[in-house]
Amino acid sequence: EDKVVQSPLSLVVHEGDTVTLNCSYEVTNFRSLLWYKQEKKAPTFLFMLTSSGIEKKSGRLSSILDKKELFSILNITATQTGDSAVYLCAVGLITGANNLFFGTGTRLTVIP
Amino acid sequence: DGGITQSPKYLFRKEGQNVTLSCEQNLNHDAMYWYRQDPGQGLRLIYYSQIVNDFQKGDIAEGYSVSREKKESFPLTVTSAQKNPTAFYLCASSQPGLGEKLFFGSGTQLSVL
Repeated sequence: EDKVVQSPLSLVVHEGDTVTLNCSYEVTNFRSLLWYKQEKKAPTFLFMLTSSGIEKKSGRLSSILDKKELFSILNITATQTGDSAVYLCAVGLITGANNLFFGTGTRLTVIP
Repeated sequence: DGGITQSPKYLFRKEGQNVTLSCEQNLNHDAMYWYRQDPGQGLRLIYYSQIVNDFQKGDIAEGYSVSREKKESFPLTVTSAQKNPTAFYLCASSQPGLGEKLFFGSGTQLSVL
């Protein structure tokens, strides 16, 4: 059975801290791994990773994929209160559906 | 601005009632999806459509129905056969060539009266 596991489930940090969110997966037809940020309602796209070892960066956020060990991490440096959200990890599968298999998410709370 | 519009934001269903959630996109995307989000669970796929007049069941299609008569629209009906409909429903779209990158609407919260 395909599985995507995110950890921790929730996290509370102070502004300025650096956080690392984890996503491990066990799927049979891996194609890509995606990270989304869900602040209130609509998840917004952060990164899509397909190759191991290549870091993707966007400002204070970065992510990397390890296809051998089957996991990805999302790093956020110098956290701000605006980073408070649920971060979703999803795996894209090689099927006809072109859809995503989601983890349960990590709820990040950044306090001033 | 291009995007996905879901309506209504909040919806209440009475026992035995069918309700329809609206999803409209002006991104000119071919593929559209419906996901259900429950607390403590990942998003689960209900139905998807890769082209007009065609759609497929996802992982949890029982108690739901869809139609895709226009490229822009993909309404979801929650039927009385869905015994636990209370959840947050998200509509998404994607376009071949962009990989698995989905664009999401703002969701509809459905509750049972």
